[in-house]
Amino acid sequence: KAGVTQTPRYLIKTRGQQVTLSCSPISGHRSVSWYQQTPGQGLQFLFEYFSETQRNKGNFPGRFSGRQFSNSRSEMNVSTLELGDSALYLCASSRSFPGGDYNEQFFGPGTRLTVL
Amino acid sequence: QQPVQSPQAVILREGEDAVINCSSSKALYSVHWYRQKHGEAPVFLMILLKGGEQKGHEKISASFNEKKQQSSLYLTASQLSYSGTYFCGTEQNSGNTPLVFGKGTRLSVIA
Repeated sequence: KAGVTQTPRYLIKTRGQQVTLSCSPISGHRSVSWYQQTPGQGLQFLFEYFSETQRNKGNFPGRFSGRQFSNSRSEMNVSTLELGDSALYLCASSRSFPGGDYNEQFFGPGTRLTVL
Repeated sequence: QQPVQSPQAVILREGEDAVINCSSSKALYSVHWYRQKHGEAPVFLMILLKGGEQKGHEKISASFNEKKQQSSLYLTASQLSYSGTYFCGTEQNSGNTPLVFGKGTRLSVIA
């Protein structure tokens, strides 16, 4: 069974640019969550999509947005990049049926974004 | 609200034991534990559900104190392969709220 894949693995951008990251979940998983990881801050939740709908959102500015397609693949977009956006962006997929059983998440390898 | 993990870092010698704690001020439905090795993605270790059920894939034990909203991860007879950063993720409602992760506990096991 293929794991979660993320593309690209590395990105270098300059301030003011925008970037789009992609995540392909495990087959059959309908939930995709995005996290920002920076040293000392752990995993900061960005948003979660389930069946093409944003179900939950973290405390990030509106420059961070996402979407999910009918095949459960998800994209995350960051506009007007700032230096502080440099981080590892992880996506995780899970079955996550509402009211269902436990919610084990499988993480992708991440996209390392560097903003210069 | 982000759970609080303690200690922030710990160094062990092979064969020693360690306990990592995760506390929340909110009532929890479940606590999830993940381990992330340097340069790799976090990997699932265990879920502890409200009511005492545990589900995991490795020989690591944990507890969930519902009264205190606290979970502890027990690493016994540590091996070099246990090194990494351990994250707890807390869930308030089943399937309807996102996991909120703590800042992590860095565990280093030395020979």
